[in-house]
Amino acid sequence: NAGVTQTPKFQVLKTGQSMTLQCAQDMNHEYMSWYRQDPGMGLRLIHYSVGAGITDQGEVPNGYNVSRSTTEDFPLRLLSAAPSQTSVYFCASSRDRTSYEQYFGPGTRLTVT
Amino acid sequence: GDSVTQMEGPVTLSEEAFLTINCTYTATGYPSLFWYVQYPGEGLQLLLKATKADDKGSNKGFEATYRKETTSFHLEKGSVQVSDSAVYFCALTLQGAQKLVFGQGTRLTINP
Repeated sequence: NAGVTQTPKFQVLKTGQSMTLQCAQDMNHEYMSWYRQDPGMGLRLIHYSVGAGITDQGEVPNGYNVSRSTTEDFPLRLLSAAPSQTSVYFCASSRDRTSYEQYFGPGTRLTVT
Repeated sequence: GDSVTQMEGPVTLSEEAFLTINCTYTATGYPSLFWYVQYPGEGLQLLLKATKADDKGSNKGFEATYRKETTSFHLEKGSVQVSDSAVYFCALTLQGAQKLVFGQGTRLTINP
């Protein structure tokens, strides 16, 4: 099993550009989520999904869109990047909404200039 | 709202020293508590957990006890190694995986 994979590892965007951060898991997990990690603030939940076709907002959803068309994939879209979105982004998955252990991907470091 | 507060870092210790990283929480209801570890360049990994008061979670020589009376979940290790150098996150959840709330993280460096 590859676990949770994320691409790209690093990305630099200009303000106003759009891009999609990819996340995939091969563990047949129902639950997937996106976090951003900023210095001194821990990880904050952006969006999450409890299964294919179902998504919901987390703590900091503004400026981000998600969709979940398959169990395996959960892409995060930035429609118009802003410098405030410079961060490290982590995707995570768990077996289902009641499972306590989340498995994290290696992260994507995004810089918006 | 629910929140987690960790001791300020960074923390630097010598090998074989005793480690404590403090964590306190505020939550409505009865949360489950976790410690996650992030090694350099990697994602987070679950280190240990406790799902009810007085439970002790343990793994790789680390321990933490769920103290409801002091709303705390301090991480301890009796003798740290250089390989324990990482960032440690305390976290809680009230609804399984849906609402995982993290502390700000504590960077630990162990010198040989």
